[in-house]
Amino acid sequence: AQKITQTQPGMFVQEKEAVTLDCTYDTSDPSYGLFWYKQPSSGEMIFLIYQGSYDQQNATEGRYSLNFQKARKSANLVISASQLGDSAMYFCAMREGNYQLIWGAGTKLIIKP
Amino acid sequence: GAVVSQHPSRVICKSGTSVKIECRSLDFQATTMFWYRQFPKQSLMLMATSNEGSKATYEQGVEKDKFLINHASLTLSTLTVTSAHPEDSSFYICSVGLEQYFGPGTRLTVT
Repeated sequence: AQKITQTQPGMFVQEKEAVTLDCTYDTSDPSYGLFWYKQPSSGEMIFLIYQGSYDQQNATEGRYSLNFQKARKSANLVISASQLGDSAMYFCAMREGNYQLIWGAGTKLIIKP
Repeated sequence: GAVVSQHPSRVICKSGTSVKIECRSLDFQATTMFWYRQFPKQSLMLMATSNEGSKATYEQGVEKDKFLINHASLTLSTLTVTSAHPEDSSFYICSVGLEQYFGPGTRLTVT
């Protein structure tokens, strides 16, 4: 069974609009962490935001926020006021206990001017 | 976050030769580094966990004799692709630490 599911292979969004990228996860470990990364065409993986399973509040980093719904096992990334430079692949990942990350398949986001 | 570099950023080699890729943590002492490969339009696949001063832990299906990993210091891990073949052409990317700071990646093309 998929541990990390990103159901949107691709998305088109108008510039300046907010966008939500979906991520659901599956784990029985009470302690886990959820990550979002951005990968532009250059290939570099850019860390965006992290949410720990015990964190009481949703993580935020500038224009990025993580809509963490623990009961639903979802960790959607919200990008406010999208910009052309936000066009990239976005990956959701989960860490359970040990160091390894389990990766989703990614969502290709294209921002239209 | 930690600054991680990889060298080379791109490499083209002939089939049958070996290629070494370096991953350096410039400001973070990493007892553990991770090596991934990524095929076009796919997600990252963990190849191995590199442990400083000891043997790497390889994921199932990854040939340890083909992908040699050395983690001799807290700031350097190397991945050597031995006897490279065209099917080894891929994007190789390393990360360090629990926070998984990533290097910029190395694009390997085997002709």
